[in-house]
Amino acid sequence: KAGVTQTPRYLIKTRGQQVTLSCSPISGHRSVSWYQQTPGQGLQFLFEYFSETQRNKGNFPGRFSGRQFSNSRSEMNVSTLELGDSALYLCASGPQGTITGELFFGEGSRLTVL
Amino acid sequence: AQSVTQLDSQVPVFEEAPVELRCNYSSSVSVYLFWYVQYPNQGLQLLLKYLSGSTLVESINGFEAEFNKSQTSFHLRKPSVHISDTAEYFCAVSEGGGATNKLIFGTGTLLAVQP
Repeated sequence: KAGVTQTPRYLIKTRGQQVTLSCSPISGHRSVSWYQQTPGQGLQFLFEYFSETQRNKGNFPGRFSGRQFSNSRSEMNVSTLELGDSALYLCASGPQGTITGELFFGEGSRLTVL
Repeated sequence: AQSVTQLDSQVPVFEEAPVELRCNYSSSVSVYLFWYVQYPNQGLQLLLKYLSGSTLVESINGFEAEFNKSQTSFHLRKPSVHISDTAEYFCAVSEGGGATNKLIFGTGTLLAVQP
């Protein structure tokens, strides 16, 4: 069974640009969550989607947005990039029908903002 | 609000020695608890979980953790570590309530196994 796939793995942007990151969950999983990981703040929850609906949202500015498609694939977008947005962005999928927090993570997309 | 505390940011240990990584949580409701491991340049992998039942849970590679409700702890232990155990370990609690898969993570503990 294929794992969680995130693309791109690495990317470099400049301040003011925008970026879109993609996540394909494990087949059959309908819950997709996004986390930001930085050395200073650790792992911070961004948002969770379930069946194309945002089920939960973290404490991030409106520049951070996401969506989920009917095939459960998800994208997150960050507009007007700032230096502080440099981070590893992790996507995680959750098994269908269970809500326990047991998540399966992708390898992440490492964003560098110059 | 729920929170997770990992007091040790780094734990150096010699190979074949025992190790304990500490985790305390705060929650006013029933919790699901997890330990995740992150190897360099990789995502997080689930190491073990406590959802219900036996308070002692084990992983396939020799780690174990014990849920202690009275002390609100979920410490991770291994009786004999290997070089390959070098990684960052994150304790997490599910915000739960059956309505979300959101996890609250601790700040992580870097386990550095030395030969």
